[in-house]
This record gives sequence, structure tokens and C-alpha cells, in this order.
Amino acid sequence: GESVGLHLPTLSVQEGDNSIINCAYSNSASDYFIWYKQESGKGPQFIIDIRSNMDKRQGQRVTVLLNKTVKHLSLQIAATQPGDSAVYFCAENPLIAGGTSYGKLTFGQGTILTVHP
Amino acid sequence: DAGVIQSPRHEVTEMGQEVTLRCKPISGHNSLFWYRQTMMRGLELLIYFNNNVPIDDSGMPEDRFSAKMPNASFSTLKIQPSEPRDSAVYFCASTLLAGGHYEQYFGPGTRLTVT
Repeated sequence: GESVGLHLPTLSVQEGDNSIINCAYSNSASDYFIWYKQESGKGPQFIIDIRSNMDKRQGQRVTVLLNKTVKHLSLQIAATQPGDSAVYFCAENPLIAGGTSYGKLTFGQGTILTVHP
Repeated sequence: DAGVIQSPRHEVTEMGQEVTLRCKPISGHNSLFWYRQTMMRGLELLIYFNNNVPIDDSGMPEDRFSAKMPNASFSTLKIQPSEPRDSAVYFCASTLLAGGHYEQYFGPGTRLTVT
């Protein structure tokens, strides 16, 4: 029978362009968000994080934007390079009333970024 | 600093055999997570520990799966008996819960193939 797998969103850009990867999260009570990069054959690697009391945070060539009104998170990569080609995951840490999540993260399905030289 | 260490990196076994995956978290981290990644289901959280105590194992698919953390520097994920549908990449991740930042550091993964 035909196998069915996840159909990940894809983004193709030219080297040097800026990339924007979007993520819709599900839990309005989440208080912490994080972006990971996963290259082929490797484990996810931390890129940048943001707490819910912020709407923007910048790192080296990356910026994360948080819009709590519409539960939307984005990752902007400036001057995208071929080495940025990977699958990018957003993740959220849900706030648990009266307890602690112990750092549990809920991951999105991921977006495939391909950078063409 | 050494990151999260997982062994073996690759495991090929026959259906019905016992499989043990190993993880050494980053020294000083107090939470440890086991994930499974497949093309069909993406990245799934199986179980996690805090201070060596299992907190939530609701992601463990069946009783064939078990995990232990006998001390702060070692954890195992065991599958007995293994089945072809268990074929996946298994990741271990660790974090230090402090200051409200929860970045998890992932190991390189163990690629399991069950024939």
C-alpha cells in the first residue's frame, strides 16, 4: 500500500536572501517558545528562544517574532547561506496551572528550508 | 564541553530481539527527555525525567517500551520485544531547569532498524 508521511512545508530561497519561517502554536497558555534547526543525520540544534513577555528577540543573523494575539511565531534568517539548509522546528513550553511542565516542549512538524547557491 | 552522548549510533536487529539505547546527559542538567522521530509521525516525546524521576511516560507507545534513569548521568530506553514498526531515530535530550529557559540539548540520535 502507499505510505503516507508528513508533508512538511517547504521554503526555497537564493543565497543572500532573507528567509522567514512561520509557525502557528496551539496553546495560548504557553510561556516559552524556541526554534531548532535539524540538519540531515543530526539531532535538533537550538537556535533562539523567546519568552511570552517579549514580542521580538534578536540573535546573530536570526530574529524571532512572537504574536500572542494570533498565536504565531516566526523565525527570520538574514542573508541566508547554503549552510542554513535544514528542517526548522518551532516548539512551545505550555504553562501548567498549579504545577510545572519540567521543561517539556511540544514540537511543530517542521519546515524544510533549501538555500540555492 | 561534551554534549549529550548516545549509544549506539546505529542499531540493526531482528524482530523479537531486545534493544537497549543509552544516553548520557550533559553534566549538571536535571531533566532528560527521550524522543522518537519518523517520517510518518515527526518528533514524538516518549518519556521525560526530572532529577532521575520519571515525570510523564504517556508518550511511550506500548508496554514493550521502558525507560530508566538510575542516576543523573545515565538513562536507558529499552524495547522488548522489538518490532519493525519501532524503526526510527531515537533522540535523547537534556536541560537544566533554571531561570525559565527550557532549551533542550539533543544528542546525535540512535538510528534503529528492526528487520
